[in-house]
Formats: sequence, structure tokens, C-alpha cells
Amino acid sequence: EPEVTQTPSHQVTQMGQEVILRCVPISNHLYFYWYRQILGQKVEFLVSFYNNEISEKSEIFDDQFSVERPDGSNFTLKIRSTKLEDSAMYFCASSVGRSGNTIYFGEGSWLTVV
Amino acid sequence: DQQVKQNSPSLSVQEGRISILNCDYTNSMFDYFLWYKKYPAEGPTFLISISSIKDKNEDGRFTVFLNKSAKHLSLHIVPSQPGDSAVYFCAASRTGAGSYQLTFGKGTKLSVIP
Repeated sequence: EPEVTQTPSHQVTQMGQEVILRCVPISNHLYFYWYRQILGQKVEFLVSFYNNEISEKSEIFDDQFSVERPDGSNFTLKIRSTKLEDSAMYFCASSVGRSGNTIYFGEGSWLTVV
Repeated sequence: DQQVKQNSPSLSVQEGRISILNCDYTNSMFDYFLWYKKYPAEGPTFLISISSIKDKNEDGRFTVFLNKSAKHLSLHIVPSQPGDSAVYFCAASRTGAGSYQLTFGKGTKLSVIP
């Protein structure tokens, strides 16, 4: 079964450093997402991406965050200057259509900011 | 701001019995509801969904009930199996408003005891 793959599975970074989380969505999918889950809290929507542009973003997705699809296969989330509160599990997801029942999540990238 | 609430952090059920997971929401704009299942170290996996025009949707052992007037939905699993042990997330979206981002509850950890 096709799957969304994410790298790295775990990254530790110093506060203020830039971090790039990488994702390879399922090949025929058109919509791409990032969600995150801070330990002990709920999964939160960050951003959705379609046709090479952001289609929706949440309040969490401020100027410190950016996404891009640099080469047609990877989908990346960049955090420009990490803060302690950015420590979380970041889930990439993709879907053929926009409906939630078609969204496939990756296994997550655990980011620890120290 | 808990627009989607799962008030039971955990639930234990005997194998073969019914598991009932509950979810309440506050935003009346939500019109599409989903249940996701999550195992440790994996991303959420779609389980079943329901549109606000329906009050019940069934898929095998899983049935979701929606009570719009009470802003309440529930997931029934019958019969429960040990492999169902996981964290179950309720999620909602406002597709009629053109928003497909998922708003998640905090999850309920289901343990099915053999």
C-alpha cells in the first residue's frame, strides 16, 4: 500500500536554529498538509498546499514557518528560528481530494528543541 | 479553544463487547466528521466518517452516530477486538465554508482486554 514517508523520524535542534522536515507524499496525490501534535495535546492543523501554493493555514503557521515543493516529489516544512514550544511531532499528510476521508498521514517527525 | 472535545481520555472494554467512544463539538459550522485511529509511533489512520446530512454511517464493525442538535457524535465498535486497542481521534471540518482543515479532539485511548 502506498504511504507517506517522512524524514527525519527524530531531530534534536538548538533553539534559534533552522529546521527542515521532509516528506514524500503519495505519488498521485494533489493536496499536501502539515499537522503537529505537542506531547499530551491534540493534533493541530498547520497548513495545506495545493497547486504549488498554500490553500489554508492556521494561526500557528506564522512567518517562522514555510512550506515548499521544491522538486515535484518532496514536500518540506521549514521552521526558520526554532523555539522551545515548537517541540512536537510533525505529521505530513497527502490526499487525492480535499475530503478528510482521503487523507493519508505519515508516521511523523519528532522535533525536540533544546 | 476546544471546538472538538473527547472528554474520556481512556476506555477499557472486554473483548467481544461494544466500545463506545464519544465526541462533542461546539462549532455549528462543522459539517463533516471523522474518526481516526492511531497506534504509537504511527500517524493517524482514517477509520470512518459522516456528513452532517446523515445521522448514522456503518462500515463493518464500526458505526458512527451523529446527533446534530446535541452536537454529539459517537463511534461504536462491535465486537471489540484486542487489535482495536489504540488512540481514537474525533475530527471535524467545515467543508460547506470551503475549509477542509481538520480540527481534532484530544483522543481517547481504547484498551480492549482479551
